[in-house]
Amino acid sequence: GQNIDQPTEMTATEGAIVQINCTYQTSGFNGLFWYQQHAGEAPTFLSYNVLDGLEEKGRFSSFLSRSKGYSYLLLKELQMKDSASYLCAVLDSNYQLIWGAGTKLIIKP
Amino acid sequence: DADVTQTPRNRITKTGKRIMLECSQTKGHDRMYWYRQDPGLGLQLIYYSFDVKDINKGEISDGYSVSRQAQAKFSLSLESAIPNQTALYFCATSGGLESDTQYFGPGTRLTVL
Repeated sequence: GQNIDQPTEMTATEGAIVQINCTYQTSGFNGLFWYQQHAGEAPTFLSYNVLDGLEEKGRFSSFLSRSKGYSYLLLKELQMKDSASYLCAVLDSNYQLIWGAGTKLIIKP
Repeated sequence: DADVTQTPRNRITKTGKRIMLECSQTKGHDRMYWYRQDPGLGLQLIYYSFDVKDINKGEISDGYSVSRQAQAKFSLSLESAIPNQTALYFCATSGGLESDTQYFGPGTRLTVL
């Protein structure tokens, strides 16, 4: 079966750094996406990794290790508006997105 | 104006009623998707369409049907709504240069009593 695992909930402090992990087991791999979703709103695209390594985009970075089936999203200089769920999704061999359940990130002042 | 729109945004209906959710996009994308989201669960794919003549079932298509009326329009129907179809429904599109990145509409919150 196909499986995406990420922590259910994490808490961090404003101004700090947090790393959200994602591990996956899928039939094939054609890339990994991270999306941000505020409560009751649509998911919005954050990043895409298809090769191993770190992709940096402002305060957000995403890392991929295909051999380990592992990715993380790194958020720096946390702001209150970063309180949201972060969804990890893998594009499988049929080019279908397989979604994790999401990690709810709570930012405290 | 939003690139992907959904109507209605909220709907309350009764068991057994037929419901249609509509999605329109101005992104010019070929691919369109319907998902449902339940609390604590990942997005589940209901149906997807790679062009007007191509409709495919997703992982949870039972109880749902779709129609791709044009490249820009993709509607989802619940022929006879049941309470466990209460969920948040999202339409998404992909295509163009970023062919695999999906862009989501604002969602429809459906409650079936």
